[in-house]
Amino acid sequence: QKEVEQDPGPLSVPEGAIVSLNCTYSNSAFQYFMWYRQYSRKGPELLMYTYSSGNKEDGRFTAQVDKSSKYISLFIRDSQPSDSATYLCAIEAGGTSYGKLTFGQGTILTVHP
Amino acid sequence: SQTIHQWPATLVQPVGSPLSLECTVEGTSNPNLYWYRQAAGRGLQLLFYSVGIGQISSEVPQNLSASRPQDRQFILSSKKLLLSDSGFYLCAWRYPGHPSSNYGYTFGSGTRLTVV
Repeated sequence: QKEVEQDPGPLSVPEGAIVSLNCTYSNSAFQYFMWYRQYSRKGPELLMYTYSSGNKEDGRFTAQVDKSSKYISLFIRDSQPSDSATYLCAIEAGGTSYGKLTFGQGTILTVHP
Repeated sequence: SQTIHQWPATLVQPVGSPLSLECTVEGTSNPNLYWYRQAAGRGLQLLFYSVGIGQISSEVPQNLSASRPQDRQFILSSKKLLLSDSGFYLCAWRYPGHPSSNYGYTFGSGTRLTVV
């Protein structure tokens, strides 16, 4: 079993739709949860960061963490064509992990006008 | 402000040839540095990380090596490339210290390596 499993998609949605992206993880030592956005042929960029169960909102983006279920989600409201990208969840154990991240395999999202 | 530079952007190399990819960070001191590889359509796999000059930790046994000759320079190398070394290589940095840093990682723009 992979440490982090991400719904592979791909997802294709119309502009304005609500998008839900999901990951599950197996290691209860994971403490810090991130979502990255990666445009084609570019490096990933940090979108959301959280370390506690619950919701964190930033504009049209909401990150949700449920540590009891080992489940994390990213919601995108009012999706735009510019949101078309690959979305990667990433998790860090903390402690003496030296900032090493474990990534999901990514979900390709296409938002069509 | 901090910036990360990675080059070259694209590289095509024959099997058995050597490899050297370079990454430099500006605007910060003593960063943690990382090399990741991304296979087509897949997530990122951590290859090496470094918490200081000359300190390299390898995550996956492979045909590659890494070095950190200066505080803000991180180099990925191979003596003889294999076909399986093809992929998208990404360098990243983050602030050291407490892991709950709110800055996450900053990634470079990546090098797309094709071994032929």
